[in-house]
Amino acid sequence: SQQGEEDPQALSIQEGENATMNCSYKTSINNLQWYRQNSGRGLVHLILIRSNEREKHSGRLRVTLDTSKKSSSLLITASRAADTASYFCATDSSGSARQLTFGSGTQLTVLP
Amino acid sequence: DTEVTQTPKHLVMGMTNKKSLKCEQHMGHRAMYWYKQKAKKPPELMFVYSYEKLSINESVPSRFSPECPNSSLLNLHLHALQPEDSALYLCASSQVGQGGDIQYFGAGTRLSVL
Repeated sequence: SQQGEEDPQALSIQEGENATMNCSYKTSINNLQWYRQNSGRGLVHLILIRSNEREKHSGRLRVTLDTSKKSSSLLITASRAADTASYFCATDSSGSARQLTFGSGTQLTVLP
Repeated sequence: DTEVTQTPKHLVMGMTNKKSLKCEQHMGHRAMYWYKQKAKKPPELMFVYSYEKLSINESVPSRFSPECPNSSLLNLHLHALQPEDSALYLCASSQVGQGGDIQYFGAGTRLSVL
């Protein structure tokens, strides 16, 4: 079953702009991850934030986590055409690190 | 080497065929996974192996039969599939324990059932 919902479902921006994607989930978690998937390919891990963290940065990525609202956001700054992909949040909602549940995903298109 | 290799990349099979999907990793990971992903949908967990033992089976139909012959290999045997089983099948691996939250994915096998 789907743990998280992401919005927007699709996002189209110009190169150089920032992109923000949101994820909401339903049950308590130990951590939340963001993955990226290029069309028809495997997923690539981007960043992990633990339930006791509020914000984390990695290069052009900034992730926030609000456990009281059961939500997270992924910000990609200074976007590039190569950032075009689907982005999924994933939670270990079952309490097992090995049982990830993925959100519905955001399709990001960055126009050159 | 952070690669998970899946073969074949594409597979077309009839409903009466038997085929197998293969997955290999050499990262020393002791947890391996099979996911199914339909177009424009998130991956859905099918099976989890931990130390070569099946630890999670998400109520997957018996026409899908996983096998983990050793710590580097994971197979998914397919038999009498239905057209609705057409999807991208993804394999992943991770550590067990510390750092085991991050999963490394293969590029997937695109399966078409005719």
